[in-house]
Amino acid sequence: SQELEQSPQSLIVQEGKNLTINCTSSKTLYGLYWYKQKYGEGLIFLMMLQKGGEEKSHEKITAKLDEKKQQSSLHITASQPSHAGIYLCGADMHTGNQFYFGTGTSLTVIP
Amino acid sequence: KAGVTQTPRYLIKTRGQQVTLSCSPISGHRSVSWYQQTPGQGLQFLFEYFSETQRNKGNFPGRFSGRQFSNSRSEMNVSTLELGDSALYLCASSLGVAGVYNEQFFGPGTRLTVL
Repeated sequence: SQELEQSPQSLIVQEGKNLTINCTSSKTLYGLYWYKQKYGEGLIFLMMLQKGGEEKSHEKITAKLDEKKQQSSLHITASQPSHAGIYLCGADMHTGNQFYFGTGTSLTVIP
Repeated sequence: KAGVTQTPRYLIKTRGQQVTLSCSPISGHRSVSWYQQTPGQGLQFLFEYFSETQRNKGNFPGRFSGRQFSNSRSEMNVSTLELGDSALYLCASSLGVAGVYNEQFFGPGTRLTVL
């Protein structure tokens, strides 16, 4: 079973469209990271959310953390081909002292 | 500052062999974590080393082992390779113990193919 579930599993959007990726935890969240991965490469840090209700933005990407719902969302406004890749959420859920990653969302942006 | 480096980047081995992967963390970082990424299982935690001690270990068989040296560089070893060990192995370093208060920086990964 996965401690962090992401939805959707994959997404294909037209350039310029907005999109949202969700990350839902089966356990209490103590903060959450969002990473982006180009296929077959390492992970690039996007954002870290530490408190419930926190919202952060970087360029056209906004992430929010809802501790009550044990959920985080990542929103991309006016998507571009450069946004394509795999988006992963990660969290320390104080369970077994390990860091968990979500199932991943593959994003394709069609020019 | 140089980023996290991993060597080799690509590796092809046959079943039954063993392999050692290396990870050099960012200078000053004391924690190194290893992850296995496969299309079926996603990104799974292998183990974390902090100040030369294994802090915790994921749900992997004993064939997977690692160590960390005094300069924080880390190696992971997989013995008696199986076809299912084919994966992208990623290492990540952080200043302190990996978690929400210590961002992990990832290396480019080592792509291991077992034939």
